Order: sequence, then structure tokens, then C-alpha cells
Amino acid sequence: QSVLTQPPSASGTPGQRVTISCSGSSSNIGSNYVYWYQQLPGTAPKLLIYRNNQRPSGVPDRFSGSKSGTSASLAISGLRSEDEADYYCAAWDDSLSVPAFGGGTKLTVL
Amino acid sequence: EVQLVESGGGLVQPGGSLRLSCAASGFTFSSYWMSWVRQAPGKGLEWVANIKQDGSEKYYVDSVKGRFTISRDNAKNSLYLQMNSLRAEDTAVYYCAREGDTAMAYFDYWGQGTLVTVSS
Repeated sequence: QSVLTQPPSASGTPGQRVTISCSGSSSNIGSNYVYWYQQLPGTAPKLLIYRNNQRPSGVPDRFSGSKSGTSASLAISGLRSEDEADYYCAAWDDSLSVPAFGGGTKLTVL
Repeated sequence: EVQLVESGGGLVQPGGSLRLSCAASGFTFSSYWMSWVRQAPGKGLEWVANIKQDGSEKYYVDSVKGRFTISRDNAKNSLYLQMNSLRAEDTAVYYCAREGDTAMAYFDYWGQGTLVTVSS
């Protein structure tokens, strides 16, 4: 059981906009930054969004992050086939004193 | 270019030991906290342990406390994870990751991972 809750799957067609939610509590998302990681099939995770809504250099602006209260979202616009991957949210948890991850969302591009 | 290259994974029997290594390059290794994050087959990500720049502080997830030891050698730009009393549930790909900020969930670079399989 993950500390942060994500839907196990999401899907969309090329060109569509999809969002992936991440629900937490006051001890994690409610009081700390949220991070998003993309894991393409058979590869290591890669930082996609940091500090709620910042993109590392090289990450397309099709990817955006937001946070409100104890929830966060990752939005992907102009969906492409190469976006098919697992996406994980993460945040520090003040109660557990560890970085907590969501269970991951498998995005399928139909 | 930042590079993290893990090694040392393999098949080990329950109760056995294994030492993972992570060779870092392309950045000033001694300036960063470093972490180990693992992923069981078909499962999500789980933070395992981290270590401060000078090795003076180390933290572990509860499930590995007393069995795993994280260490680093800044002269060799290397991070280690000594794993003892291994259990089937420790089976996972272990990733070495650089921390972008302390006490966050901010891992800005990851290695390719090394697979640890605990089985008889």
C-alpha cells in the first residue's frame, strides 16, 4: 500500500490531453513539494517535474505539474506514442521521515 | 554528463549477503546526498537508504534497518550498499540516485539499476 495514491492506469489517443492524479495527506503533499518521474519500458526512472511544476531542461513543455492542497496532477498535452510509460509521483513524508512514492500509473497511448 | 553506473547485483540465497556499488562521474560527487531506490519486479518504486555528502548521516527505510548499510568513498566517487540477511522480499532492481535537495523526494539523476534476486 503506497503512501501516495495514483490510478493504476490511464490512456489517451495521440494529440489528446491526459491527466494523472496523485493523492496524499497533510504530512506529504500538503506540506512538501511534489515530484514526478517517468519510467519508459525497461529503463530507469527519469525526473519529469520537480518542485510541483518545474521542468528540468530537456523535458518538453507538453508536460506540466500542479498541486492543490493534498493532491497533485501531472498533465500531458499533445499525447505522443513515446509518452507510453509508467509515471510516479513522489513527496517527502514528514510523519515517516522518508521520501514516499505513489504506486505508479501506466499510461497507454491508444 | 552525469553518469551513475551500478554493479554487484546477482542471485543470492535467503540469508546471504551482497554488496552493490555505484560509480559516479560527471559531477562533484562529494557535494551531493546519494540514495538507493529499489523496484521489485512489476512493482513501484521504494526508497531504501540515503547518505550525506561526508557520510556522517545515514537513513534507512524500516524494512532494511539493521540489515543494510549504505556507505560512500568520495575519493573513488563511489556509493555502496552492503546487504546482509537478505530475504525474498528484497528481490528488486536497485537504483543509485543523486538527490537534488535534502529531505525531499528529489532524485535528479538515476543509474540504470542492478538486479538482486534472493532465491534458493
